[in-house]
Amino acid sequence: GENVEQHPSTLSVQEGDSAVIKCTYSDSASNYFPWYKQELGKRPQLIIDIRSNVGEKKDQRIAVTLNKTAKHFSLHITETQPEDSAVYFCAASRHSGYALNFGKGTSLLVTP
Amino acid sequence: DTAVSQTPKYLVTQMGNDKSIKCEQNLGHDTMYWYKQDSKKFLKIMFSYNNKELIINETVPNRFSPKSPDKAHLNLHINSLELGDSAVYFCASSALAREDGDTQYFGPGTRLTVL
Repeated sequence: GENVEQHPSTLSVQEGDSAVIKCTYSDSASNYFPWYKQELGKRPQLIIDIRSNVGEKKDQRIAVTLNKTAKHFSLHITETQPEDSAVYFCAASRHSGYALNFGKGTSLLVTP
Repeated sequence: DTAVSQTPKYLVTQMGNDKSIKCEQNLGHDTMYWYKQDSKKFLKIMFSYNNKELIINETVPNRFSPKSPDKAHLNLHINSLELGDSAVYFCASSALAREDGDTQYFGPGTRLTVL
């Protein structure tokens, strides 16, 4: 089955700096790669996703890049703010209706 | 209010008991899922249903039995609860037939504590 590795497990940055979280996956049939943000005690919320026909996607301060050949994808957050502090999960999936295979999460702390 | 909802939000029970968690979505989705998040925050798929039919059943003890009475509901019944069942259980849904059909929306979670 799919194996998704996520690094780092914890990340601390100063407000205004950039944060980068990286994931690798094993199943070459995976073609959907979402990123979820989970605040303490809350549900995972989708923040951005990318499909295998695209190499990069950006939404304001958040961007995701995908390298299908190397089977890795990354989340980039620019101009970080304290409210960006949360646990971020990457995931990979084959297609609609398939389970999301999650990485183990990255706890991001943005200090003022 | 359009959403994926779950009840109860918290569930505290004794070992050996049987309990159910309910999930409802009013997004018009046709696929629903149960995920388990353990104490280390790891999220893992348990089950997936499409149009009331089971399509994913990961290696989950058969004490766990999902039931989908209709496309909008997916309930999780757990028999003979064990200490290791303590976790947060998340329901999610997606719409297979839509262009963004792989996007999954999560419910608020049910924190199960087995004493």
